[in-house]
Amino acid sequence: AQKITQTQPGMFVQEKEAVTLDCTYDTSDPSYGLFWYKQPSSGEMIFLIYQGSYDQQNATEGRYSLNFQKARKSANLVISASQLGDSAMYFCAVLNDYKLSFGAGTTVTVRA
Amino acid sequence: DGGITQSPKYLFRKEGQNVTLSCEQNLNHDAMYWYRQDPGQGLRLIYYSQIVNDFQKGDIAEGYSVSREKKESFPLTVTSAQKNPTAFYLCASSISAKPQHFGDGTRLSIL
Repeated sequence: AQKITQTQPGMFVQEKEAVTLDCTYDTSDPSYGLFWYKQPSSGEMIFLIYQGSYDQQNATEGRYSLNFQKARKSANLVISASQLGDSAMYFCAVLNDYKLSFGAGTTVTVRA
Repeated sequence: DGGITQSPKYLFRKEGQNVTLSCEQNLNHDAMYWYRQDPGQGLRLIYYSQIVNDFQKGDIAEGYSVSREKKESFPLTVTSAQKNPTAFYLCASSISAKPQHFGDGTRLSIL
């Protein structure tokens, strides 16, 4: 299995501030996809953002942006203007040959 | 609405019993997946299927079995050989390299 590393088990952020969640991976395949998912306490997995390994520009989706540094095998998620509803577990994942491998996740708690 | 339906939401298993978790999708996706999630951890791939009548083992397939007789359905059986089955099980589907859509999950516990 591929190794996906999320070094921050938990983070606190003040409402309306930005937060960056770290993710590194170790795939040797030149073609892969990077995903971030949000998992609220209810358990469902919500897709947030996708970056292809050949995409030249960093992906953005509303308040979510992905800081993709291919040479460093890093794909950090930036959440801008945090809201209370952003409190959840966040998972980084790498898709390679139909298999999606997940990191251990980072718990984000947004404080009012 | 299109989506993935997992049932039941909660399931209890007795020692030595096989149980089957249902996963149905009406998204017309070719690929389907089963993941296991333990408390406070990420998802681990159990089995996946790219087309009907074909499936591959994931990273933790021991003690589990699947079938893919129809495009819409990918049931997972947790056999008595799985000694620690208590977990949250998530089913997903996708088209090629597109984002995977997930069901709401099944929580399995041992009686």
